[in-house]
Order: sequence, then C-alpha cells, then structure tokens
Amino acid sequence: AQKITQTQPGMFVQEKEAVTLDCTYDTSDPSYGLFWYKQPSSGEMIFLIYQGSYDQQNATEGRYSLNFQKARKSANLVISASQLGDSAMYFCAMRDDSNDYKLSFGAGTTVTVRA
Amino acid sequence: NAGVMQNPRHLVRRRGQEARLRCSPMKGHSHVYWYRQLPEEGLKFMVYLQKENIIDESGMPKERFSAEFPKEGPSILRIQQVVRGDSAAYFCASSPRDRAYNEQFFGPGTRLTVL
Repeated sequence: AQKITQTQPGMFVQEKEAVTLDCTYDTSDPSYGLFWYKQPSSGEMIFLIYQGSYDQQNATEGRYSLNFQKARKSANLVISASQLGDSAMYFCAMRDDSNDYKLSFGAGTTVTVRA
Repeated sequence: NAGVMQNPRHLVRRRGQEARLRCSPMKGHSHVYWYRQLPEEGLKFMVYLQKENIIDESGMPKERFSAEFPKEGPSILRIQQVVRGDSAAYFCASSPRDRAYNEQFFGPGTRLTVL
C-alpha cells in the first residue's frame, strides 16, 4: 500500500526566506508520480508541482522546486523567497502505476509566513 | 477556460437527509475523481468515473454513498441518510483523457455539515 508521510504539522518562516517542507513516501512500484498541492484558508486545492519517478531533473515551477531524492524516497518542496500569500496548508501526494489514477495524500504541513 | 466547478460550496443537512454534490469538470476533461477530506486530515480517494462508467469505487463507503457521471451534465456524489460522520469537505478533480495519469485539477470543494 502507498504511504505518504509529512512529519511537520506546522512551520513558521520569515517573509523573503526559503522554507523546505518534508515528504517521504513508500511504494514498491518503480513508476510513480509525486505532487504538491497548496490549500489556503479558503479551502481550494491548488496544484503546485509534479515530479515523475523517471524524471532526471528536479522539477521547478517559479518559486517552487522539488528536491527529489529517489534512493531516500523523499520529495521535499522548497519555497523560495516566501511571501505572505504562501501561508497555507501544503499537501504531498503520490500516484503509482498500480493505481494510476488514485492520489494518496499526506496529512499536510501548515506554513505561516511572518512579515 | 473555466476550472473545475463544484456546487454548492457549502451544504448543511440534518441527520437522515440526502446530500447531493455536483461537479462540472474542466472543458474537455472526461475523467472525474471524488475525494473526501475529514477535518485535520489529507484527502482520501473515494471514486473514479469516466462518462457513464464507474471505474473504481473502492474508496466509497459501501452503503449510502453513490456517484454517477452521466453522458450529459455534471458528476453527482449522492449521500443518503447522512450522519454526523459524513461532515467533511468533498473535492472533485478532473483530468483530460490524454493526460489521465498526470495532473488532476481540483475544484473548490463542497463543505458538508451534518447537524
């Protein structure tokens, strides 16, 4: 069974600094995808970034980058130059090819950006 | 191009009543997924549908819950005889046929409160 672990329930970061959100996963399938979503207080789920298990390079999308360490089964999200609008809950999710449409989500990490 | 639409955004029901949650996928998307988010938890997969077909409903409770995605109109998640434990946020996501295994685009969710 798939498992996503986010060990940081909450984090504080100073505006303009970088923050790293941890995510480890467990799967026996060699082909899988990893996702990060942002959920602000308004409740919607916003897709941030995707990393495929066979991708050679770490994914980047603007201020978001994914530190993908396949051997350690970790897919940490790095948010650079934090902004007040980054305050939200962040979820790591995984899809593997044995369940190629189901996303399995971690419990989430709350990020609070301080001015 | 409008995103995934869900309505209502908030729904209040008394125990024993029925709840109907609607999801209109993004234009051109023929795959719909429903997830449930209990308070302080990540999203849990419920059901995966394509037009007129239920592909996987392994995450749905066996009783009282049903889902459909007709040829015309939105996808409907129906909860009969609601109980307090059904109180949660219900998210719909959609993906395009040719990228069914990558991004899932989420709607804003429906927050169900059972009194």
